[in-house]
Amino acid sequence: DQQVKQNSPSLSVQEGRISILNCDYTNSMFDYFLWYKKYPAEGPTFLISISSIKDKNEDGRFTVFLNKSAKHLSLHIVPSQPGDSAVYFCAAGDSNYQLIWGAGTKLIIKP
Amino acid sequence: NAGVMQNPRHLVRRRGQEARLRCSPMKGHSHVYWYRQLPEEGLKFMVYLQKENIIDESGMPKERFSAEFPKEGPSILRIQQVVRGDSAAYFCASSGAKPQTQYFGPGTRLLVL
Repeated sequence: DQQVKQNSPSLSVQEGRISILNCDYTNSMFDYFLWYKKYPAEGPTFLISISSIKDKNEDGRFTVFLNKSAKHLSLHIVPSQPGDSAVYFCAAGDSNYQLIWGAGTKLIIKP
Repeated sequence: NAGVMQNPRHLVRRRGQEARLRCSPMKGHSHVYWYRQLPEEGLKFMVYLQKENIIDESGMPKERFSAEFPKEGPSILRIQQVVRGDSAAYFCASSGAKPQTQYFGPGTRLLVL
């Protein structure tokens, strides 16, 4: 039973355009969500998070949107840069400590 | 930079040997988490520890795997009698008193021949 799903294994975006990565969840008890970025042979790097009491959080080129009624969140990267090419993981947590992870989306930024 | 440190970065073992993976959390962090990532898959939670305590080991295989986080020194993930299916990347993460954001180490890539 996958509680956090990233349905797109990969996404290709032109440099300078907007990248939109999606994530769906099933557990309404999740109260915070995080996005991590991972390069090959490195550990995941924390990017941005959002609490369930918000619907948007912005940090520079990265914005996360949360739609609680649809149990859906998305990460927007604009403008996309070559260094953004990586695997992006969505993770969700409740009042407990454990994070539940999606399988990741590989983002490829084309020059 | 006092980030999460893991060693070794790469570890090769033959079937039946033991593997010991070490993790030093970020300075000031007292919560440690171990994850495993198999090829083409996301991260799977294994165990959550605080100093001298295992809080949750629900993701850890019941046999051959153990973890500790002693009062002094790094956290250790120990795999006894390794098998080929143990080949994976093992990541350690740490967090502070409010364990919402976890910060990851570079991982240890275990290859069992």
